[in-house]
Amino acid sequence: ETGVTQSPTHLIKTRGQQVTLRCSSQSGHNTVSWYQQALGQGPQFIFQYYREEENGRGNFPPRFSGLQFPNYSSELNVNALELDDSALYLCASSLLGSGYTFGSGTRLTVV
Amino acid sequence: GIQVEQSPPDLILQEGANSTLRCNFSDSVNNLQWFHQNPWGQLINLFYIPSGTKQNGRLSATTVATERYSLLYISSSQTTDSGVYFCAVDFSAGGTSYGKLTFGQGTILTVHP
Repeated sequence: ETGVTQSPTHLIKTRGQQVTLRCSSQSGHNTVSWYQQALGQGPQFIFQYYREEENGRGNFPPRFSGLQFPNYSSELNVNALELDDSALYLCASSLLGSGYTFGSGTRLTVV
Repeated sequence: GIQVEQSPPDLILQEGANSTLRCNFSDSVNNLQWFHQNPWGQLINLFYIPSGTKQNGRLSATTVATERYSLLYISSSQTTDSGVYFCAVDFSAGGTSYGKLTFGQGTILTVHP
């Protein structure tokens, strides 16, 4: 098993900028989900991709968007960054209907 | 939406003590997982346990789906067990998973030497 890898590990951006976070899924997994974790809170579901299409979305505005590629890797894009977007962003992969494996996360700071 | 409640919110133990963490959920689920979040933020999967009982070393978990709760047992705790423990559930509607994990607020465990 190769696990789930995320890049970069840390990132500092200025309010109003755009950011792209990347995730490589665990080998054999066909779904990828993204979560936002604010300090002291549990992770909140952003969206999930299955077979390169969005398969469910949480309560996040459209400036949060994503992509899944044929090799099951994924990107999370956030436009027009706000200070409240500062958080740990976690990627998780799974086979549809089974347990989830999480990456180490990207810690985003918006200043 | 589905509610997930964990208790206790904080737990302080001496090394060697046993503990039980609880997770209550408000609706039928087709996936329940327990995670340990390490100081670097990574969520380590401890158990995938939508029902029944599993054991892995000093850790074990039991989910009683019909009564909508799960328990995580930690025996002979060690300082390396410190961190945040999350319960997360995947809501099912008519047997179809939406693929969304709903997390509880976590239990912060501190184990002193």
